[in-house]
Amino acid sequence: GAGVSQSPRYKVTKRGQDVALRCDPISGHVSLYWYRQALGQGPEFLTYFNYEAQQDKSGLPNDRFSAERPEGSISTLTIQRTEQRDSAMYRCASSLGVRATNEKLFFGSGTQLSVL
Amino acid sequence: GNSVTQMEGPVTLSEEAFLTINCTYTATGYPSLFWYVQYPGEGLQLLLKATKADDKGSNKGFEATYRKETTSFHLEKGSVQVSDSAVYFCALNSGGSNYKLTFGKGTLLTVNP
Repeated sequence: GAGVSQSPRYKVTKRGQDVALRCDPISGHVSLYWYRQALGQGPEFLTYFNYEAQQDKSGLPNDRFSAERPEGSISTLTIQRTEQRDSAMYRCASSLGVRATNEKLFFGSGTQLSVL
Repeated sequence: GNSVTQMEGPVTLSEEAFLTINCTYTATGYPSLFWYVQYPGEGLQLLLKATKADDKGSNKGFEATYRKETTSFHLEKGSVQVSDSAVYFCALNSGGSNYKLTFGKGTLLTVNP
């Protein structure tokens, strides 16, 4: 596609439910990133993939959060047993190369998650 | 650790006014510095970047100079337009995890006709 596509655009769920957020990067982009942005804050790094390999998951808050990119393209961020503090905008980004130093990141419009 | 501090918004200007959004940083090593912009309903877009001290990034009339001595990367534009209304984020990457961006909180700019 023309840009990074994220779905759903909005997700409202009840506390304790699992959610799966999808990211479809720009075609041909090797690197994929997940960020989380709380209201009034800048995005915070969650995890990073090169192709299908998860290179860094140090930003995932706890073991309820996981991400995968099994075929090196579409990625899914899963949050199990959601809590109200998980409410935020979840942003996906992609970049062309393997080594992302100074590379331009292309961000999707995000998924706004609300946990009631 | 790395951190970015931006001036608090919101900033409201009239069209053709001069814009400055301050950004200072703390980082290990020699960071690269970025400004990203988010227009309403869209994802963040890279506006400009600078990779070493004294570099000046520029794009769409916006400029920012990498000042190592003051650890700053202030964003400026000489004459803003209504279409510049957006949220602006200062960011850096540094060190071994140089794919990992650290963002400021963002500054909302509103330009009135």
